[in-house]
Amino acid sequence: EPEVTQTPSHQVTQMGQEVILRCVPISNHLYFYWYRQILGQKVEFLVSFYNNEISEKSEIFDDQFSVERPDGSNFTLKIRSTKLEDSAMYFCASSSLSGNEQYFGPGTRLTVT
Amino acid sequence: LAKTTQPISMDSYEGQEVNITCSHNNIATNDYITWYQQFPSQGPRFIIQGYKTKVTNEVASLFIPADRKSSTLSLPRVSLSDTAVYYCLVGELPGNAGNMLTFGGGTRLMVKP
Repeated sequence: EPEVTQTPSHQVTQMGQEVILRCVPISNHLYFYWYRQILGQKVEFLVSFYNNEISEKSEIFDDQFSVERPDGSNFTLKIRSTKLEDSAMYFCASSSLSGNEQYFGPGTRLTVT
Repeated sequence: LAKTTQPISMDSYEGQEVNITCSHNNIATNDYITWYQQFPSQGPRFIIQGYKTKVTNEVASLFIPADRKSSTLSLPRVSLSDTAVYYCLVGELPGNAGNMLTFGGGTRLMVKP
């Protein structure tokens, strides 16, 4: 069964550093998403991406965040200058053009020290 | 977005049927009801989706009364591996141009031997 993959599984970085989280969505999917989940809290939507542009973003997704689809398979989330409060699990998801469900990856645990 | 209310936690025993009810009094005409499951340290996983009446798949059943102000996820004969957080989501289909998912707190189901 096709699945969304994410790398790395765990990333530790120092405050102020840039991080790039990588995702490979399911190959025939056209919509891509990033969510995050701070430990013990709800899963929160960050951004959705379609046709090489952001289609929707939340208040969390400020100027420190950016997304990119650098090639035909990867979808990345960049945090320019990490803060302690960026520590969370980051989930990538994808869905097809007519699909009703989003498929989530296993997540990247980001720890900012 | 329609607000959802579901129990914070539930306990059950192996082999029992579990019913988790979600209230969504302000559901809109275009809204669907979707349930996701999340195991610890994993991304959410789609379980089932419906608009009205009853939907059944190989994993669960979803019961939606005529007024659609609530819904009940039914898990037949649960096992220890069904221990997870179950989220009720109400909104337009993700297939409609990549709509974001809005997660609430979910119901933490603990299945005991």
